[in-house]
Amino acid sequence: SAVISQKPSRDICQRGTSLTIQCQVDSQVTMMFWYRQQPGQSLTLIATANQGSEATYESGFVIDKFPISRPNLTFSTLTVSNMSPEDSSIYLCSVGDAGTQYFGPGTRLLVL
Amino acid sequence: GQQLNQSPQSMFIQEGEDVSMNCTSSSIFNTWLWYKQDPGEGPVLLIALYKAGELTSNGRLTAQFGITRKDSFLNISASIPSDVGIYFCAGQKRTNAGGTSYGKLTFGQGTILTVHP
Repeated sequence: SAVISQKPSRDICQRGTSLTIQCQVDSQVTMMFWYRQQPGQSLTLIATANQGSEATYESGFVIDKFPISRPNLTFSTLTVSNMSPEDSSIYLCSVGDAGTQYFGPGTRLLVL
Repeated sequence: GQQLNQSPQSMFIQEGEDVSMNCTSSSIFNTWLWYKQDPGEGPVLLIALYKAGELTSNGRLTAQFGITRKDSFLNISASIPSDVGIYFCAGQKRTNAGGTSYGKLTFGQGTILTVHP
């Protein structure tokens, strides 16, 4: 399985600001995924990032709010833009293929 | 959107008891995955199931891929205090983006397990 790290592990931000979350994998992977886990809830896929192409966003998530970069096969970033308290969640990076997916430790975001 | 119904929502058991939880869906999945999430951590993959009818064990954990491909269950035998956490099922469908095939996960709502010593 891949070893996935995320930065920051947690942050407290003011509304209206933006935060960029980094995801680093210890091996080259084709697909990287970004999930949101709202307090006490399950995981919801935000978007899928394939290196060299635009990210594919799920229904309810838009690029202006959650821009994603995928500059190489081991790294991706997710930006949460113009934050509001409703964006307070755990944001998780994941990698995998058609068989399995592995998750990073998550970034805990609190927006005041 | 697609929904997975996971039950029960929570369980309170005594150490040593067996536990069973399941997920059902209205649609078919190619793969079923079971994860455990501890507080402050990301989900950790416990078991992956790839074929209808498949029964797979990982220590005290046993999971099965339903024959209809629309359901899966997870059993934990002889529970211990460190089994405490949230267990999630996830169904995976193969899809394509940018010419690359990958598995798209849909998660159940989770089962919160509490084990009393």
